[in-house]
Amino acid sequence: TQLLEQSPQFLSIQEGENLTVYCNSSSVFSSLQWYRQEPGEGPVLLVTVVTGGEVKKLKRLTFQFGDARKDSSLHITAAQTGDTGLYLCAGPSLDTGRRALTFGSGTRLQVQP
Amino acid sequence: GAGVSQSPSNKVTEKGKDVELRCDPISGHTALYWYRQSLGQGLEFLIYFQGNSAPDKSGLPSDRFSAERTGGSVSTLTIQRTQQEDSAVYLCASSPHGPTTDTQYFGPGTRLTVL
Repeated sequence: TQLLEQSPQFLSIQEGENLTVYCNSSSVFSSLQWYRQEPGEGPVLLVTVVTGGEVKKLKRLTFQFGDARKDSSLHITAAQTGDTGLYLCAGPSLDTGRRALTFGSGTRLQVQP
Repeated sequence: GAGVSQSPSNKVTEKGKDVELRCDPISGHTALYWYRQSLGQGLEFLIYFQGNSAPDKSGLPSDRFSAERTGGSVSTLTIQRTQQEDSAVYLCASSPHGPTTDTQYFGPGTRLTVL
């Protein structure tokens, strides 16, 4: 079974602070996706990283895929209250014939005004 | 509609009753997925459809759970003889083709509470 472990599980910070959340696995993934989920809604895709060592930026969010493609990080600069939500990493299952995504348990971020 | 829709948005049922949850994917999307999310947790894969076929139903937790998809569109997830541990948010997603790097578009979910 492939597992994606996310840390921290919960993070509460003040507006304007920087933060990093992590997604780690003992397995190699061909790609990793990051989603954000707000209360009462389904997850929304933020980014997909495919190449080992890849760095992608989405405004104040920076995503990195580890060289060995076993881990990823999300860094948020100058957090805003609108960044509050559950951040989930996910990767395609390598089990034969399985097309589903394996999700991490998530990091719940709360940005205080 | 433009996005994935699910109904009902909330369902409260008594232990032992059967429930049906509905998912309307984005028009033209061939792949459809069901996930389950316990309070504040990550998503647990249940079943995947490609067209009307389910190549992977390995995530269904017991034989009380079943799902079907008709016309390559609407899907129904049925839970028979519900138990309290079935309480969760059930999320449906669709994607254009099905390869694992496809973007999956999620619906808002159905919150199931079994009393």
